Amino acid sequence: AQTVTQSQPEMSVQEAETVTLSCTYDTSESDYYLFWYKQPPSRQMILVIRQEAYKQQNATENRFSVNFQKAAKSFSLKISDSQLGDAAMYFCAYRTTWGGSQGNLIFGKGTKLSVKP
Amino acid sequence: DTGVSQNPRHKITKRGQNVTFRCDPISEHNRLYWYRQTLGQGPEFLTYFQNEAQLEKSRLLSDRFSAERPKGSFSTLEIQRTEQGDSAMYLCASSPSLISGNTIYFGEGSWLTVV
Repeated sequence: AQTVTQSQPEMSVQEAETVTLSCTYDTSESDYYLFWYKQPPSRQMILVIRQEAYKQQNATENRFSVNFQKAAKSFSLKISDSQLGDAAMYFCAYRTTWGGSQGNLIFGKGTKLSVKP
Repeated sequence: DTGVSQNPRHKITKRGQNVTFRCDPISEHNRLYWYRQTLGQGPEFLTYFQNEAQLEKSRLLSDRFSAERPKGSFSTLEIQRTEQGDSAMYLCASSPSLISGNTIYFGEGSWLTVV
């Protein structure tokens, strides 16, 4: 079974600085998808960025980028120029591409990010 | 696009009572998912539908839980004989017909407190 681990329960960053959130996962599959979701205090989960495992190029979305290391099964999220609105819980998630579990996102426990003004 | 809508947003119930949550997915999304999230944890998968067909159920979905999506549009999640351990946020999500990698969109969740 696949698992997702986020080893940082809480992180803090100064406004305008850069922060990196860590995520590791375990799978025996070669093809899959990885996601970072943001959950602000209002509790609605919002997709931040997505990475296809077969793509070697790291995904980037504006101030958000990932460092995807497939062999190491690592998927970290870098937030540049941090803003107060980035404060939230961040969840790393895995999804298989095979079989009946295609709809099943497997989440880590999350990292609570605080942004200091 | 009005997003995934869930109601009620909060429900307090006495142990042993039945509760029902409703989810309205984004229109034309034929996949619908239910997740459960407890404090300090990431969401855990419960079940999902492709149109009206329930394709997968987690072992977390005990016999007291039942989910339906009768016409392939909205869905309900019913919990019978609630227990204190059922206290959690129940998240609904939807996505277009699954081409691997399609984004799954979440609602704001329904908080359940069992007293």
